[in-house]
Amino acid sequence: AQKITQTQPGMFVQEKEAVTLDCTYDTSDPSYGLFWYKQPSSGEMIFLIYQGSYDQQNATEGRYSLNFQKARKSANLVISASQLGDSAMYFCAMREGRGGGFKTIFGAGTRLFVKA
Amino acid sequence: GAGVSQSPSNKVTEKGKDVELRCDPISGHTALYWYRQSLGQGLEFLIYFQGNSAPDKSGLPSDRFSAERTGGSVSTLTIQRTQQEDSAVYLCASSSSYPLPRGAFFGQGTRLTVV
Repeated sequence: AQKITQTQPGMFVQEKEAVTLDCTYDTSDPSYGLFWYKQPSSGEMIFLIYQGSYDQQNATEGRYSLNFQKARKSANLVISASQLGDSAMYFCAMREGRGGGFKTIFGAGTRLFVKA
Repeated sequence: GAGVSQSPSNKVTEKGKDVELRCDPISGHTALYWYRQSLGQGLEFLIYFQGNSAPDKSGLPSDRFSAERTGGSVSTLTIQRTQQEDSAVYLCASSSSYPLPRGAFFGQGTRLTVV
């Protein structure tokens, strides 16, 4: 069963505007972690942001914030003030269970295009 | 080393040959993952090692695929009797839960081409 769903295969955003990348997940484990990664055309995977299932506040990291809606099982990534360098593939991922090492599964990704 | 190291970076092999892909994780990271990424696709989970526990092999696509992790550090992914559909980028990642769950650190990947 698909556990991580990213419904937007591609997104366009104008430079300097904000964009939201959607992610929904499915788990019965009360303890889980949600991640977003960026993969530029160079192929490297870059960790962006983390949200724990018990975290009371939405995670933020610079221009990245995670809109965590636990009841809806959604963990959307918001990128503020988009830059041309933000053009890349973005993957949502989920780790079930406690600790930092449990299996992590990824969504299919969203390709973001930032227009000048 | 400072990051996750994978070798080789590129591998071209003939159909039917066996290949070994190596991953050297970040020192002290107890968790190690292997993923496969086909061109333009997402990451497909293959196998996961956590400390001395039995690995989670639920993602291995066939019995031609196997992996081991020696001494809780270096890992080798072996593909026997390679097929053209095995062509992909194989990514290794490692992670630790301390001091904060900062996500996994990925290597640059091994691009495997089966001809």
